[in-house]
Amino acid sequence: EAQVTQNPRYLITVTGKKLTVTCSQNMNHEYMSWYRQDPGLGLRQIYYSMNVEVTDKGDVPEGYKVSRKEKRNFPLILESPSPNQTSLYFCASSLWGGLGYNEQFFGPGTRLTVL
Amino acid sequence: AQTVTQSQPEMSVQEAETVTLSCTYDTSESDYYLFWYKQPPSRQMILVIRQEAYKQQNATENRFSVNFQKAAKSFSLKISDSQLGDAAMYFCAYRSTLIQGAQKLVFGQGTRLTINP
Repeated sequence: EAQVTQNPRYLITVTGKKLTVTCSQNMNHEYMSWYRQDPGLGLRQIYYSMNVEVTDKGDVPEGYKVSRKEKRNFPLILESPSPNQTSLYFCASSLWGGLGYNEQFFGPGTRLTVL
Repeated sequence: AQTVTQSQPEMSVQEAETVTLSCTYDTSESDYYLFWYKQPPSRQMILVIRQEAYKQQNATENRFSVNFQKAAKSFSLKISDSQLGDAAMYFCAYRSTLIQGAQKLVFGQGTRLTINP
């Protein structure tokens, strides 16, 4: 089944404890992206990757890191989480990142709470 | 930068009736895509409908249709014959066609739709 998977689905952690949220897709997609969803703000893009080893900042990159060493994986790293990073996180992927339409597929979301 | 505004945080409708969710956006571009996404309690993001800005005809998907007013920068979603399964958060989203990283979606704040039986 074609899908985007995220792990963990739920995470409660404490301030300053490094964590990684994994994202994997099995559709051979070139483009991958991370969003965070907050009440009253909708979803906002954190980082995106056009292909392996090509990543760039989205609208709210502060406090996050990403890497794209393999085409299928795009982990989101919080090196020193803070309470303002408590949010619902979505990974998304699409066939390519350039011009023209292709559907973006979303993962199931990761609910992160930073105490 | 593009912005998307959904001015109705919550709406409710009686089952089987019609409801319209509003969305406005701001852009200086002439070509772009607009979307409505549904997020049920499972939190999964589900694409409901898509509109290309160069198309004058409004998109329709079964009970879902849009009213796209390009000059007014308005993109509303009409749900006909509302069903209990339509209860969800609905997000309006914009996608540019002109820039690097053009797959980025700019979302509105969301409208929570309740269906009353």
